[in-house]
Amino acid sequence: GGIITQTPKFLIGQEGQKLTLKCQQNFNHDTMYWYRQDSGKGLRLIYYSITENDLQKGDLSEGYDASREKKSSFSLTVTSAQKNEMAVFLCASTGQGADTEVFFGKGTRLTVV
Amino acid sequence: QQQVRQSPQSLTVWEGETAILNCSYEDSTFNYFPWYQQFPGEGPALLISISSVSDKKEDGRFTIFFNKREKKLSLHITDSQPGDSATYFCAARNTGGADRLTFGKGTQLIIQP
Repeated sequence: GGIITQTPKFLIGQEGQKLTLKCQQNFNHDTMYWYRQDSGKGLRLIYYSITENDLQKGDLSEGYDASREKKSSFSLTVTSAQKNEMAVFLCASTGQGADTEVFFGKGTRLTVV
Repeated sequence: QQQVRQSPQSLTVWEGETAILNCSYEDSTFNYFPWYQQFPGEGPALLISISSVSDKKEDGRFTIFFNKREKKLSLHITDSQPGDSATYFCAARNTGGADRLTFGKGTQLIIQP
């Protein structure tokens, strides 16, 4: 089995600050995702990457940057934290092929003060 | 436009009863439908999934019923247990297209002992 590790688990930032969230997976999966989870709004896709150095925008990419430096890691940067961005950010990964399972990390909870 | 809709937003049933969670979708190219279960403080985890070639998928107490013509599916949890209390997300994917899952907003299920 594998695991997805997200760091940090809790992140407190100042409004306007640039903040980086990190994700590592040891499944050897090709595709990785960043989702944002707001209470009552489900999961919304921010960015995803189908291979190393690839980046694809999701539905919520404005205000974020992402980087897939190597196959096992995918980082997300909040370019200028806003108070309405308090949410849980979930990293996920999946292998190739139809119907393959998407695995999630435990999330990073962001609070902007 | 919301691609995947779930109802109800919240559901409370007594222990031993059957809980029914509903999901509908817009995009007729979606052909893979996983249901995820999420406990507080954890990431979502795959519970059960179905592809569009089937109309029913069963795994223990969990069953998905799928109606392709109406673009609807439902998750039935029989003999509900307090440990089933969680948030359940319906998701959809086009396995021949972009490698992304689209999620509903979730149903919060509470099982009363």
